[in-house]
Amino acid sequence: NAGVTQTPKFRILKIGQSMTLQCTQDMNHNYMYWYRQDPGMGLKLIYYSVGAGITDKGEVPNGYNVSRSTTEDFPLRLELAAPSQTSVYFCASSSRTVLEEKLFFGSGTQLSVL
Amino acid sequence: AQSVTQLDSHVSVSEGTPVLLRCNYSSSYSPSLFWYVQHPNKGLQLLLKYTSAATLVKGINGFEAEFKKSETSFHLTKPSAHMSDAAEYFCVVTYSGGNTGKLIFGQGTTLQVKP
Repeated sequence: NAGVTQTPKFRILKIGQSMTLQCTQDMNHNYMYWYRQDPGMGLKLIYYSVGAGITDKGEVPNGYNVSRSTTEDFPLRLELAAPSQTSVYFCASSSRTVLEEKLFFGSGTQLSVL
Repeated sequence: AQSVTQLDSHVSVSEGTPVLLRCNYSSSYSPSLFWYVQHPNKGLQLLLKYTSAATLVKGINGFEAEFKKSETSFHLTKPSAHMSDAAEYFCVVTYSGGNTGKLIFGQGTTLQVKP
C-alpha cells in the first residue's frame, strides 16, 4: 500500500519558471490537501479538495493552482515561480473530515526558487 | 479567529526523563485539537486528537495530552523520553468548527533527546 506519493522530492526552479507538483493516493480518499511548510511557521493550507471536480482555496492560495480530475490525483501548479514559494510542500489525504479520520501525509517536496 | 501557539520552539531532554511540549489555542468555538509528529525527511504522523470526548487523550508511542478549557491549553506529555522521539512536533486546531482540511498548525517544537 503506497499511501500518498509526491513527486519530485526535490526541485530547483528559476524565477518565472513553472512546474507541477504531483500527488497521488491509492486509498480511494475523497479529501485531499496541499500544505506548505516554512521554518518556524508550521504548515499553511494552500488548496484542498473534497472530491473529484471540487477544489477550494485554503489560507495561502496566491500563486498556485490545482485541479482534481480523478479521485487519485491532486496536482499543484506553480505558474510563475517566485522566491517566496521556496518551501517544503506536503500533500495529504483523508477518507472523511479531519474530525473523523486522520490525515495521511506524503513525504514532501522540497522546492527552491532562485 | 482561531490560532494555536506552541510556547517553545526547541525542547531538549535526556533519555528516560519526562517530556512536556506546550500548546495554547484560541478559538471562538469548542475546538478540536491534534498533535502531529514529523521525523526528519519524513511526512507527518498523527499522534493523538481531541474532539470533545475525554479530556485526557492517549496517543501512540506513549504520548498523551490533556485538554484544559480553563487554561486554553493542550500540552503533550510523555513520562520517559526515548531517543526515537527526537522529531518536530506540531499542535493543530481545527478551523471554522472542524470544516474539512482547514487545520491551523502551530509553529512547531523541535524535541531533542540526549543520551
